[in-house]
Amino acid sequence: DARVTQTPRDKVTEMGQEVTMRCQPILGHNTVFWYRQTMMQGLELLAYFRNRAPLDDSGMPKDRFSAEMPDATLATLKIQPSEPRDSAVYFCASGFSPGRGTQYFGPGTRLLVL
Amino acid sequence: DQQVKQNSPSLSVQEGRISILNCDYTNSMFDYFLWYKKYPAEGPTFLISISSIKDKNEDGRFTVFLNKSAKHLSLHIVPSQPGDSAVYFCAARVPAGNNRKLIWGLGTSLAVNP
Repeated sequence: DARVTQTPRDKVTEMGQEVTMRCQPILGHNTVFWYRQTMMQGLELLAYFRNRAPLDDSGMPKDRFSAEMPDATLATLKIQPSEPRDSAVYFCASGFSPGRGTQYFGPGTRLLVL
Repeated sequence: DQQVKQNSPSLSVQEGRISILNCDYTNSMFDYFLWYKKYPAEGPTFLISISSIKDKNEDGRFTVFLNKSAKHLSLHIVPSQPGDSAVYFCAARVPAGNNRKLIWGLGTSLAVNP
């Protein structure tokens, strides 16, 4: 049963610290998405990779957030320095393009910045 | 400005009855529409989709209807079961070029009462 995995599942950190979230997409998928879920904004797209190349990171605060795909089996989202307003659930999803746009989500990383 | 709107934050129905979840959109260029279901502490899971050239798609208890002239789609669940209690997200795909990202609604929380 192929699944997207994310680590860590929960992270509590102090303001100013670096946070790194990792995602392993489903083998064979060529698109990877990072989302942030908040109550007010719903699912916000932060970054979108296709064949490991960044296609869209317009939703990501560039001064503190960065997203990379070092290889096809790993995507990372880093926040440096973290702030309390970054507290949210961060989801990674993968899919295949071209296709219908179906995305398969990981379980999320719940981040709390104190 | 929300391009995909789910105007009902919550919905409560009796087990065995029909659940109807609604979604409105503003961009006539969207080419695919998808529904996702989300349980607490899990990532969203794909439920059903419909192409913009169709007006209905059915999968078991789930049917999605698309009214392009009204820019409206709905998800029907018949019969509703307690296990259907979850948050349902409507998403629309942007077809432009290679950037086929999804635009998400804020979700509707469905409670199916035994």
